[in-house]
Amino acid sequence: TQLLEQSPQFLSIQEGENLTVYCNSSSVFSSLQWYRQEPGEGPVLLVTVVTGGEVKKLKRLTFQFGDARKDSSLHITAAQPGDTGLYLCAGEPNSWGKLQFGAGTQVVVTP
Amino acid sequence: NAGVTQTPKFRVLKTGQSMTLLCAQDMNHEYMYWYRQDPGMGLRLIHYSVGEGTTAKGEVPDGYNVSRLKKQNFLLGLESAAPSQTSVYFCASRRGVEQYFGPGTRLTVT
Repeated sequence: TQLLEQSPQFLSIQEGENLTVYCNSSSVFSSLQWYRQEPGEGPVLLVTVVTGGEVKKLKRLTFQFGDARKDSSLHITAAQPGDTGLYLCAGEPNSWGKLQFGAGTQVVVTP
Repeated sequence: NAGVTQTPKFRVLKTGQSMTLLCAQDMNHEYMYWYRQDPGMGLRLIHYSVGEGTTAKGEVPDGYNVSRLKKQNFLLGLESAAPSQTSVYFCASRRGVEQYFGPGTRLTVT
């Protein structure tokens, strides 16, 4: 059973379009992270959010942590082909240092 | 500074064979993790270690053993491989809230 549900599973868009990826759970997390993974490589951390309602921006990427710390979203503005990858959310349910990962959203941005 | 490295990168085993996957990190991190990644399943934690000489079970530990004899190394062993263990295995180490992942080992069990 996946503790973190990501939607959609797959997203294909044209360069310049916007997209949003969602990460939802019935559990509360002390922090939530977003990773991007490219083929043949390990995931790379994009951002960590820790406060309910927190919004963080990383260039064209905007991350939001839900007020109740159960869900998060990733919004990409004016997507570029370099944004192509598997986006994974991961939540830390307590302070033990173990992450629960979502199944991921595969994003494909075509020129 | 190589970060997290994994060996081998690819391996094919026959059912019943054994092997050890090696993970090494040069960042002096205390926490290390072994995950497996399967299509549609995300990353699932196999075992983890909070320091040299200590290990603990994760979400899917059956069929795997681990050892952390040195702080920089975390070994994952398969004593008798099964086709269900076909997967991509990732090692990670942790500093603060950030996990640093290795490039992965693609294992096929026939």
